[in-house]
Order: sequence, then structure tokens, then C-alpha cells
Amino acid sequence: AQKITQTQPGMFVQEKEAVTLDCTYDTSDPSYGLFWYKQPSSGEMIFLIYQGSYDQQNATEGRYSLNFQKARKSANLVISASQLGDSAMYFCAMRDTVGGTSYGKLTFGQGTILTVHP
Amino acid sequence: DTAVSQTPKYLVTQMGNDKSIKCEQNLGHDTMYWYKQDSKKFLKIMFSYNNKELIINETVPNRFSPKSPDKAHLNLHINSLELGDSAVYFCASSLNWLLQETQYFGPGTRLLVL
Repeated sequence: AQKITQTQPGMFVQEKEAVTLDCTYDTSDPSYGLFWYKQPSSGEMIFLIYQGSYDQQNATEGRYSLNFQKARKSANLVISASQLGDSAMYFCAMRDTVGGTSYGKLTFGQGTILTVHP
Repeated sequence: DTAVSQTPKYLVTQMGNDKSIKCEQNLGHDTMYWYKQDSKKFLKIMFSYNNKELIINETVPNRFSPKSPDKAHLNLHINSLELGDSAVYFCASSLNWLLQETQYFGPGTRLLVL
């Protein structure tokens, strides 16, 4: 069963508008972490934001915020005031445990390609 | 000052050859990882080392052998390269695998097997 699901293969947004990239996850572990990474066309993986399962508040980092809905098992990334440079592939990832230990392993979703139009 | 660096950035080679990819991190992290990104952009963990000791070994052909001479370096050696090994290989590091810490990725090595 897929542990991390990104249902939007591609998204389009107008410059300066906000966009939400969806991510749902599946785990039975009460302790887990959710991460978002950006992969521009140049190929590097850039860390954007982290949400821990016990965090009381939604994570925010500059124009990035995470809409964390624990009961729904969703961790959507919200990018406000989109810029042309936000055009990239975005990956949601989860760090959970198997048998009580994760060994730090990240499980990634399929990714969403975001295109920002001028 | 690159935090996680990989060499080479590009690697084009013939089937059957043996090649190595090197990774170094200057973040003082204990844990390092190798991920493979296939042609469909799917990323999957291959190996993880904590302070030179192997802690994750996913189902990877034994043609792939990681080596960690010290905790700042994690190299990946691939024997008898096959067409299906063509992919982007990412090295990453984190403070310690026990913690919910961010993994920082290197720039990737694009391997093309002809």
C-alpha cells in the first residue's frame, strides 16, 4: 500500500497567487515526521518545511506553510504569493517507524510538477 | 561551502563497467544515505550509514556496495553496470537517524549506462 500519495501530477498557478499541493499519508505509528522538498529543473533536492506528528501548530517557513490535518492524514503544502522561481517538482515525504525504528528512512510521494505562469 | 557534495555530477559508462560515486558532508552529521531517483522521478532509499555502520540496506542488488571510511563520507560502488542502473543517485545526510531531523541532499549524480 502506498504510504505517501500525491494525487496531483501537475498544477498551474498564476504568479502572485497562492497554491496548495496535496499530500496524504498512511501510517499506524503515532510518531512520524512529514517533509516537503522542492526539485527544480536543475535537479537538486531542496528542503522546504517539516511537520512533526506531535506538533500542535502548523509549520510555516516564509512563503511556505503546511496545512496539517492529522485526522485526515493529510499534510498539504501551501505556497503563498507564487513566484516564477517556484516552478519545480515538489515531493512530500514521511519518516515513520517500522517495528519501532525508522532508521531515518524517508518514503517519498510521486511528486507534483508546479508551473507558475507570469 | 557545499554542505553535501557528490562527485561526479554526471557519469556516462558502458554496460558491464564498474563505477564509484563519492559523497562528502561537512555538516558534522552522523547519518548518511543513498537514494535512487528513477526515470519517473520516484525516489527510493537504498542504504543508510550511521557513524560508519550500515543501518539500512533496502532490497538492492549486491552489485551495489556502499562504503563509509568515516562519518563524513559515504561512497557507492557499482559493479557490472546494467542499463536499468541509469538513474540519478542522491546522497543525503542528517544529524542522527534516531531524531526527526531534516535530511539534506547532495546535488545528485546522473548515471547513464549505455
